[in-house]
Amino acid sequence: GDSVTQMEGPVTLSEEAFLTINCTYTATGYPSLFWYVQYPGEGLQLLLKATKADDKGSNKGFEATYRKETTSFHLEKGSVQVSDSAVYFCALRTGGFKTIFGAGTRLFVKA
Amino acid sequence: GAGVSQSPRYKVAKRGQDVALRCDPISGHVSLFWYQQALGQGPEFLTYFQNEAQLDKSGLPSDRFFAERPEGSVSTLKIQRTQQEDSAVYLCASSSTQGENQPQHFGDGTRLSIL
Repeated sequence: GDSVTQMEGPVTLSEEAFLTINCTYTATGYPSLFWYVQYPGEGLQLLLKATKADDKGSNKGFEATYRKETTSFHLEKGSVQVSDSAVYFCALRTGGFKTIFGAGTRLFVKA
Repeated sequence: GAGVSQSPRYKVAKRGQDVALRCDPISGHVSLFWYQQALGQGPEFLTYFQNEAQLDKSGLPSDRFFAERPEGSVSTLKIQRTQQEDSAVYLCASSSTQGENQPQHFGDGTRLSIL
């Protein structure tokens, strides 16, 4: 069945460091891909999305490119801030309405 | 507020009790989803409504779980004869249309603890 695998956390970085959180997927068909973020004490929020191969989603300095050839959707940010500390979830949705989430990656950013 | 509202925020119940969790979606949102999130894991799909119709309930783990949305707005997730493995955060999400690329707006969840 469809699945999402993302790198295990926690990931600990210093402020202004470069961030990569790896995400790979397995899906039949052509899924849409998403990154969600969950800040401490808050609900899940959509961070960015891409709906077809080679699309790049971007928001708040974060980017991810839909790579069909490697079935990946890695999240990147050039310079993280303390306020980026959160749990990040990679997710996919195929022809139906069911969204499949990865296990989440916790990010800690130190000042 | 204008977001998805869930209540209660926390629920503690004894094993064997029935519980009911409520979700108020964003006004006018057609689609409503329930997810179960175990500690340290990502959300897992439970069920999906389009207006009042439950179109997919393939993720409900057992027949003890039941969801309804009788008037196409508020939804209730009911768990009968609760078990310890039901302890999790239950998330509700809604989206504005039935398009599969529409973003889902999540509530803060109900944290259910079964003693």
